[in-house]
Amino acid sequence: KQEVTQIPAALSVPEGENLVLNCSFTDSAIYNLQWFRQDPGKGLTSLLLIQSSQREQTSGRLNASLDKSSGRSTLYIAASQPGDSATYLCAPRKDTGRRALTFGSGTRLQVQP
Amino acid sequence: GAVVSQHPSWVICKSGTSVKIECRSLDFQATTMFWYRQFPKQSLMLMATSNEGSKATYEQGVEKDKFLINHASLTLSTLTVTSAHPEDSSFYICSAYDSLDNYGYTFGSGTRLTVV
Repeated sequence: KQEVTQIPAALSVPEGENLVLNCSFTDSAIYNLQWFRQDPGKGLTSLLLIQSSQREQTSGRLNASLDKSSGRSTLYIAASQPGDSATYLCAPRKDTGRRALTFGSGTRLQVQP
Repeated sequence: GAVVSQHPSWVICKSGTSVKIECRSLDFQATTMFWYRQFPKQSLMLMATSNEGSKATYEQGVEKDKFLINHASLTLSTLTVTSAHPEDSSFYICSAYDSLDNYGYTFGSGTRLTVV
């Protein structure tokens, strides 16, 4: 059974800092990995999707890397802003079958103005 | 991109009544949808997997008679909380993925259920 760990569990930083959020998973035989953002009381918004054959994906100030063999993914947030405050979740997907995603407990980020 | 619409966004009901939550895929066909439950400051817990035209598969510990799932079409799945009690109060989120697999998984905006 896939287990996902996210470190740190919580993070509070001043605006403008570059951030690193870590995700590790126990079963490295994955199809792809998604990073999501969840605002309080809201659903999940997909940020980045990395296929297993890819090393990284970028979208604006966000960059996600994937080291499949070691079971790790990292989300980099450049020049953080107060609007980045949210919980960030990573979810490795096992295969192309109709399986639900497995989530870690997330990283709660607070960016201070 | 793929969009999943979930309604209602919040609902308050009395103990003993039933509540239906709808989840629709707006611009893609979702043969499979997933229902999650989330407690405050915790991650998502999978409740069941809903497949179009067949019975849902429930996770261990989830009462299938309490949480009725129907997936009658390729774009609609519903979760009905029957005879709701205060301990059913939670945040419920649905998810689907585009069978063409272009966008990964897409989530609804969630439903905050409060049973009084």
